[in-house]
Amino acid sequence: AQSVTQLDSQVPVFEEAPVELRCNYSSSVSVYLFWYVQYPNQGLQLLLKYLSGSTLVKGINGFEAEFNKSQTSFHLRKPSVHISDTAEYFCAVSFSGGGNKLTFGTGTQLKVEL
Amino acid sequence: DTAVSQTPKYLVTQMGNDKSIKCEQNLGHDTMYWYKQDSKKFLKIMFSYNNKELIINETVPNRFSPKSPDKAHLNLHINSLELGDSAVYFCASSQDSGTGNTIYFGEGSWLTVV
Repeated sequence: AQSVTQLDSQVPVFEEAPVELRCNYSSSVSVYLFWYVQYPNQGLQLLLKYLSGSTLVKGINGFEAEFNKSQTSFHLRKPSVHISDTAEYFCAVSFSGGGNKLTFGTGTQLKVEL
Repeated sequence: DTAVSQTPKYLVTQMGNDKSIKCEQNLGHDTMYWYKQDSKKFLKIMFSYNNKELIINETVPNRFSPKSPDKAHLNLHINSLELGDSAVYFCASSQDSGTGNTIYFGEGSWLTVV
């Protein structure tokens, strides 16, 4: 079965600390991987995506993610977070042959504290 | 200029009513989508249209009827609204329906059925 898992529903972190948000997927076909951010009462904004090539992908706002095929993971990282990074983060996957349809994880609420 | 715009942003209505949400994209994209985000923030695709043609229909009750008058517009009409329809509905678009194309989301329409 094809699925996406975000194990952490909430991640509290202090400002300027590093953070990692975890995403794992299950698939028997090739995948395309995305991270979206949703600020309160707003739509989803693309942070970064992996289609092919280099497994380390850099995105907006200082975020990066690494595709690990053997571990079927696509964890999101930021070396130093800011209060403004407080938001909901969604990992999403498109499965090859499935059309351009995103399957989302359940989201991780990142809460940055002073 | 808003790339994907949807109206209304907030909608409160009574059970049994019929309502519509309108969506327009000015990105010149061929493919448009409706996603639903439930009260637990879980996101799931409902429909996808490519050049006005329905290409994805994800087991959505037939009370939901999408309509695409042209490739820049995708409206969602909901008949006989039920309490469980309360959710945030996101319109989105992508260049085409090829897997891996970035999907751009609108700001969402918050529907509350009372």
